[in-house]
Amino acid sequence: KNEVEQSPQNLTAQEGEFITINCSYSVGISALHWLQQHPGGGIVSLFMLSSGKKKHGRLIATINIQEKHSSLHITASHPRDSAVYICAVGWSSGSARQLTFGSGTQLTVLP
Amino acid sequence: EAQVTQNPRYLITVTGKKLTVTCSQNMNHEYMSWYRQDPGLGLRQIYYSMNVEVTDKGDVPEGYKVSRKEKRNFPLILESPSPNQTSLYFCASSWAYSYEQYFGPGTRLTVT
Repeated sequence: KNEVEQSPQNLTAQEGEFITINCSYSVGISALHWLQQHPGGGIVSLFMLSSGKKKHGRLIATINIQEKHSSLHITASHPRDSAVYICAVGWSSGSARQLTFGSGTQLTVLP
Repeated sequence: EAQVTQNPRYLITVTGKKLTVTCSQNMNHEYMSWYRQDPGLGLRQIYYSMNVEVTDKGDVPEGYKVSRKEKRNFPLILESPSPNQTSLYFCASSWAYSYEQYFGPGTRLTVT
């Protein structure tokens, strides 16, 4: 079965720290997404990657297709970054729109 | 304001009583999708639609139906709900050329 694994499951950091969240997948993909779920439950799309690297503000997402691995980095973390971060993939064997999700990483940034 | 709306936001119902959760978007998006989120299992895709009258199964379509008769609406139908369909449901949409999805606020469904 095609799988998506995220690590760590839980992460606590001090304000200002550099944070890395990892996502690994089992077979070839057509696209990888990073999502953010706020404490209130709302979900926001952060990035979609098929190769390379993307940056938006303090967030950076990278993907290594050969190693089947993606990372989400947060620079100069802030308490408002506290959320669940979720990666999702569209498998290359199927539709890019049929998504499989990782279990999420709960990030808590302390002031 | 660009948004995805879901109704109802909260619903408690009984086993076997047909229900519909509506999803509507005002951004003229081609793509729409339904997900459920459960503790320990995370988000799972139920159905998605690439355009009007085009729908496809996601990972967990059993027990659900969808229709896409209009571009803006993508209702999720539970013909005979069961307790294992108790979950938090999200609808999302995007343009066909973009993978950035806009999510609705969620519908918390309890089936007793």
